[in-house]
Amino acid sequence: EDKVVQSPLSLVVHEGDTVTLNCSYEVTNFRSLLWYKQEKKAPTFLFMLTSSGIEKKSGRLSSILDKKELFSILNITATQTGDSAVYLCARRTSYDKVIFGPGTSLSVIP
Amino acid sequence: EAGVAQSPRYKIIEKRQSVAFWCNPISGHATLYWYQQILGQGPKLLIQFQNNGVVDDSQLPKDRFSAERLKGVDSTLKIQPAKLEDSAVYLCASSLMGQVLDTQYFGPGTRLTVL
Repeated sequence: EDKVVQSPLSLVVHEGDTVTLNCSYEVTNFRSLLWYKQEKKAPTFLFMLTSSGIEKKSGRLSSILDKKELFSILNITATQTGDSAVYLCARRTSYDKVIFGPGTSLSVIP
Repeated sequence: EAGVAQSPRYKIIEKRQSVAFWCNPISGHATLYWYQQILGQGPKLLIQFQNNGVVDDSQLPKDRFSAERLKGVDSTLKIQPAKLEDSAVYLCASSLMGQVLDTQYFGPGTRLTVL
């Protein structure tokens, strides 16, 4: 069954904290794992992961995929209030279908 | 480069009325997607076009929803008649060729409220 599970569903942290967001997925027709950031409007692309164990980094954000255990994590270090958003994980199938999880709502308070 | 354009940005209608949304993808992008995002949930794919052909419409409620992309560029999504549960943000996205390594770019969305 097509399913993407994210945890936690919501999170409140203080500025400067490090957060880890989790995403697990079904294996059927898996081609890539995507992370998006959504701030009250359209999702913006963060990372695409296709290979296990290779970390992708962009500034304070990083992500890694474990294809054996079928999960991915998104790390944000030294969080800032501008990181407050919903973080969406999505699985892309070999038929180019993108299945989104429910998202993790992150709130960073000063 | 210009992004994905959508209009209107907001729409309020009463149940049983009709509504249409418009999307213009990034120039040169062959693949266009319409998603429905209900508050608190991730986007759900309604329909995917490759040029002017439908690739996937398995989750489109075809009794009330329709979409077209006649010239393989811009697209319209229509709801007729609308129900209360159609209240959501409708997101349009496009990608270059719909290949696995292509990035999807999203438009700003249309927020629909059905009263």
